[in-house]
Amino acid sequence: EVQLLESGGGLVQPGGSLRLSCAASGFTFTSYAMSWVRQAPGKGLEWVSAISGTGGSTYYADSVKGRFTISRDNSKNTLYLQMNSLRADDTAIYYCARDRVVVVTAALDYWGQGTLVTVSS
Amino acid sequence: QSVLTQPPSVSAAPGQKVTISCFGSSSNIGNNFVSWYQQLPGTAPKLLIYDSNKRPSGIPDRFSGSKSGTSATLGITGLQTGDEADYYCGTWDSGLSAVVFGGGTKLTVL
Repeated sequence: EVQLLESGGGLVQPGGSLRLSCAASGFTFTSYAMSWVRQAPGKGLEWVSAISGTGGSTYYADSVKGRFTISRDNSKNTLYLQMNSLRADDTAIYYCARDRVVVVTAALDYWGQGTLVTVSS
Repeated sequence: QSVLTQPPSVSAAPGQKVTISCFGSSSNIGNNFVSWYQQLPGTAPKLLIYDSNKRPSGIPDRFSGSKSGTSATLGITGLQTGDEADYYCGTWDSGLSAVVFGGGTKLTVL
């Protein structure tokens, strides 16, 4: 059974940093690209970042470019999102999602339950 | 402002059919596959359609997808109250090198 379990969310002050993790199980982790997608309270889905199965290709939304870094440790079956210079508009539920293939597409077939990030003083 | 444009809301009666549109451009829908997601209240999104018209295993054939030019459509037949949810389209944008989503459409089954 495919499982994605996010962790690392919480309350952080503006300008602060946070690292999200997504522990994957039930599939061959290196065979799939992975994405982070967020959803602000009462708002729609916003794609944040993605990484290919090998980790060799990474992509970012303009809204987080230069502040967030996606990475993966294929030996630990874990996806990460390092978030720096956090702003109030980064407040959202952050979902980890698996792509259907090894390269990044928009076909995200498994999602975690999400972790809440709140940026506030 | 989302890169892909969806109607904010649609509604139909139980048993009826509804379609949800998704408009984009040549840099996204025009040259890439489209996915559709269902998000029930308080839950994570669920993939309904990928590659514009394919259904993952377990998704009933009441759900269908199509694409023409720079637009895509999700169709739902035999509407049930349990279909009330937010629906999102998504695709790769070659110009942005990014995944893009529509703003979402709230389906109400009257």
